[in-house]
Amino acid sequence: DTGVSQNPRHKITKRGQNVTFRCDPISEHNRLYWYRQTLGQGPEFLTYFQNEAQLEKSRLLSDRFSAERPKGSFSTLEIQRTEQGDSAMYLCASSPPTGIHGGYTFGSGTRLTVV
Amino acid sequence: DQQVKQNSPSLSVQEGRISILNCDYTNSMFDYFLWYKKYPAEGPTFLISISSIKDKNEDGRFTVFLNKSAKHLSLHIVPSQPGDSAVYFCAASDSGGYQKVTFGTGTKLQVIP
Repeated sequence: DTGVSQNPRHKITKRGQNVTFRCDPISEHNRLYWYRQTLGQGPEFLTYFQNEAQLEKSRLLSDRFSAERPKGSFSTLEIQRTEQGDSAMYLCASSPPTGIHGGYTFGSGTRLTVV
Repeated sequence: DQQVKQNSPSLSVQEGRISILNCDYTNSMFDYFLWYKKYPAEGPTFLISISSIKDKNEDGRFTVFLNKSAKHLSLHIVPSQPGDSAVYFCAASDSGGYQKVTFGTGTKLQVIP
């Protein structure tokens, strides 16, 4: 297992366009998380899945954001009608059924730049 | 509302000496605390954690101390090595280690050879 994989690594898009990111968690991890990190800040929680169920969404996740995890495997995060304020690093993490006592495993992130 | 605060944006330490990174939190419901290390262009990597029922946890060169009454925790790295140079994030959970984690803003550690 190569860890948590995120694609693409970088995405440059024009304001108003839609973008979709993909996250492939560690195969035996049933929990999957999306975070967003802006310059000078720590990662901010966006949403969390346990298997295919989306159990929690942050108020940061506006109506333009949607996340899915069909069949409890990979996950996608879509941003519609992108704005310049959406420019950030989007991080995916996963953890096993026993929770995060050993900490999340993060992917390397997708850096989004909205121009 | 910054519930996890790392008031020192940066820290420089000589190789071989102790690095002490500090973190304060405001939410008394937090019951599990973690430290992550992040290198440029990579995701954060889990370093060490501590439950609120403990006041110390040690793993090799890394020790985390928790002072619940002061709502303060610290990470000690002894001895510091150049490869420890990275951004360190303090994080906390209010769900016993499940679900979401709240991160601080990070402290950039530079270990000088």
